[in-house]
Parts: sequence; C-alpha cells; structure tokens
Amino acid sequence: DAGVIQSPRHEVTEMGQEVTLRCKPISGHDYLFWYRQTMMRGLELLIYFNNNVPIDDSGMPEDRFSAKMPNASFSTLKIQPSEPRDSAVYFCASSLNSGGNQPQHFGDGTRLSIL
Amino acid sequence: SQKIEQNSEALNIQEGKTATLTCNYTNYSPAYLQWYRQDPGRGPVFLLLIRENEKEKRKERLKVTFDTTLKQSLFHITASQPADSATYLCASHGSSNTGKLIFGQGTTLQVKP
Repeated sequence: DAGVIQSPRHEVTEMGQEVTLRCKPISGHDYLFWYRQTMMRGLELLIYFNNNVPIDDSGMPEDRFSAKMPNASFSTLKIQPSEPRDSAVYFCASSLNSGGNQPQHFGDGTRLSIL
Repeated sequence: SQKIEQNSEALNIQEGKTATLTCNYTNYSPAYLQWYRQDPGRGPVFLLLIRENEKEKRKERLKVTFDTTLKQSLFHITASQPADSATYLCASHGSSNTGKLIFGQGTTLQVKP
C-alpha cells in the first residue's frame, strides 16, 4: 500500500520566494496533519484537517503560512514570503480517525532551506 | 502547559543489551501513549500504543510500560541490534483527546556491535 507521499523531498530557495509543499495522504484517512521539525523545537504540529476542513491551525507560526486541502487526496502548505528561519523539515501525516489511540502515518518530509 | 519530555542525551549501548528509554508527561493525564521510531532523513514510524489501564505492552523485542503514578512510560528494546539505532519519539494526545499529538524531543539510540 502506498504511504503518505510528500513532494518535493528537498527545496532550496532564496528568502522572499514563495514555497509550496505538497502532500498526498493515505487513501481513506480522514485526518491530515502538517508538522515542522527542527533541532531546537522538535516536532511541532502546524495545522490539521478533518475531511478536508481545517480544524486547528493554532500552530501556524504567522500569516506567511497557509494550508489548503482542496480534496481528500491532496494538501498544500504554502509559505509566502519565505524567511531563513523557516528552514526545517516539514512532515505531512494522516490517520484513519481522531483520538489518542490512532497512530499517525508520516511521509518522509520536505527538507526546506531558505537562503 | 501539557508536556512530553524525553532524555535528549543520546543513549549508547552494546549489542545484545537491553535499551531503556524514558518518557515523562506533565500537567495532564493521557489515556494513551504512542511510541515512534525515526531514522535519519525519514518520517516517524509508529511502533506501539499503550493505554493507561495497560501496565505493559509487548511486540517482539519491544516492551512499553505505562505508570500513571510516576507519569512515565518506559520503552525497552531487548537483545538490541545495530539496526535498532534510531531516534525514538514518545507522543500523546492532549487533554482534549483529539487527533492532535504532542511529541517529545526524542531520544537517539546508538547500538554498537
């Protein structure tokens, strides 16, 4: 079975440019999560969706970040304009249901470097 | 605020020994704790889940315990192998028990042959 698919795997761009990260969740999973991982802060939840609807975006750092889920098989995380402090690994994950007893399935991430 | 804390120092052990990793939670009482493995350049992979009313859970060479008095979970790998070298993350939902997970910083395990 295909897991969570993220693209691109690596992105290097200059400060001020728009960055778009993409995610395809596991088919049939109702929940989709976007995380950011850094050495300093670990794995932080940015936003999550249930049935394509954003439920909690309290982790989104600022207005430069936006996320959409136009359908059940695709989501994007956009940063505009990008800044060097946005450099991190961004993960997408999906799960079948909500609740603390549900494992999350992660993609292999996008390593983002803003110069 | 609700926190999950893991020992940030790397754990180095000899092949064949048992590795024990610690996860402490503060300011809430989760009904479940999850453990994940993360290899360099890869996303976390789910390993085990334990419920608060389960004292212990096993899966092959892995064992997880949940002590609600100490507010702690221990993750054991018996007969460790170099292939077990990775970062192990503890996670739990917040007090609202939604799909939102709080992750610890992770503990890096290095098993030496």
